[in-house]
Formats: sequence, structure tokens, C-alpha cells
Amino acid sequence: GQNIDQPTEMTATEGAIVQINCTYQTSGFNGLFWYQQHAGEAPTFLSYNVLDGLEEKGRFSSFLSRSKGYSYLLLKELQMKDSASYLCAPMDSNYQLIWGAGTKLIIKP
Amino acid sequence: GAVVSQHPSWVICKSGTSVKIECRSLDFQATTMFWYRQFPKQSLMLMATSNEGSKATYEQGVEKDKFLINHASLTLSTLTVTSAHPEDSSFYICSARGLAGDSDTQYFGPGTRLTVL
Repeated sequence: GQNIDQPTEMTATEGAIVQINCTYQTSGFNGLFWYQQHAGEAPTFLSYNVLDGLEEKGRFSSFLSRSKGYSYLLLKELQMKDSASYLCAPMDSNYQLIWGAGTKLIIKP
Repeated sequence: GAVVSQHPSWVICKSGTSVKIECRSLDFQATTMFWYRQFPKQSLMLMATSNEGSKATYEQGVEKDKFLINHASLTLSTLTVTSAHPEDSSFYICSARGLAGDSDTQYFGPGTRLTVL
């Protein structure tokens, strides 16, 4: 079957760094996406990894290891507005995104 | 770039009526559009996938006669919830994928909150 494993909830302090881990199993693999979803809003695209390694984009970085079925999203210099759910979504062999429940990140002052 | 709009943002309707939701890709051509539903504090649930000019592919358990999808052009897809009932109340979100930057990326519309009384 296909599944995604992310922590349900994480708490971090404003200005700090947090790493959100994701392990996945899919039928085939065509890359992995990270999306941010604020409460009551639609997801917004953060990053896409198709090759192993680290992709950096401003305060956000995403890492992928295809052999381990593992990815993480690294958020630096946390701001209060980063409080949201973060969705790890691998793409299977049919180019369909597989969605889990995501990780709810709570930022405290 | 890669902006997707949805209309309306929210709608309240009476039980038994039909509601149409529009999804538009504003600055790119969407070869594929996806319709999702999300209940509070739950993950996104894919309802159907539609390619321009062809019939939508529905996920298991989604009634195609109840959720009518039309993808008549490369920039517009519509979802019609027919004979809506209170259990259809949910957050409906479309996404589009196509000729925008990385063509594998899905860009989401802002969502439509449907409340059926």
C-alpha cells in the first residue's frame, strides 16, 4: 500500500529552527512535494524534490533520500506566521500526489 | 505565476439544490485539474482527476452522477454538486497542473467552503 508518516504536531519557538520529517511508501516515485496549509485555507506549494539531496529556498529547505523513502522540511528563523500544517506529498507512478494528514506546527513567542 | 482561482469562495445553499464551483488557471494552461474535498482536521481527499477534453476519472467511493466535473478548456474546470445534502458540506479545493514552471507541480485554488442547510 501507499502511506506517509509524519509527526502529528510539533512545537517550536519563534526565531528557532525546526525539522519536520516524513517517511513514505509509494507505488513508484516521481518526486516529493511539500505544501503549507494554514487553518481554513488551501495548501500552497513550498518545494519539490525529485533527486536526492537538499534544495534550499530562502528560510525553507527540503531534503530527499529516495533509497530511504525519507524527506524532511527544514524551517529556519521561525516566524509566528509559520504556524500551519505542513504536508509531505510524494508522487506515485501515476503522477498522483499521495496525501497524509500533515504536521501541525505551533510557533510560540 | 501559476495562479489558480476558485469561485465562489463560500456558498450556503438549501438541501436538494445544485451548486457549481469554478476553477480557473489564470496565467497558465492546465492540462490536468484535480478536485479535492477536505473535512475539518482531516487530510485532503482526492475526488477526481480531469484532463482537458476528456471525462474525469473519479476516485473510489465518489459518485460521478452527484459530483459532475467538466474540463472544457485548458483554463477552466467546474465541479457541480447536484442535489446537495448537509453531509456534502465541506471545503472543496481544486488544483491545476500544466504548462507552468515545473509541469509536475500542482497549484491549488483558494478553496470553496460549501454549507448545505
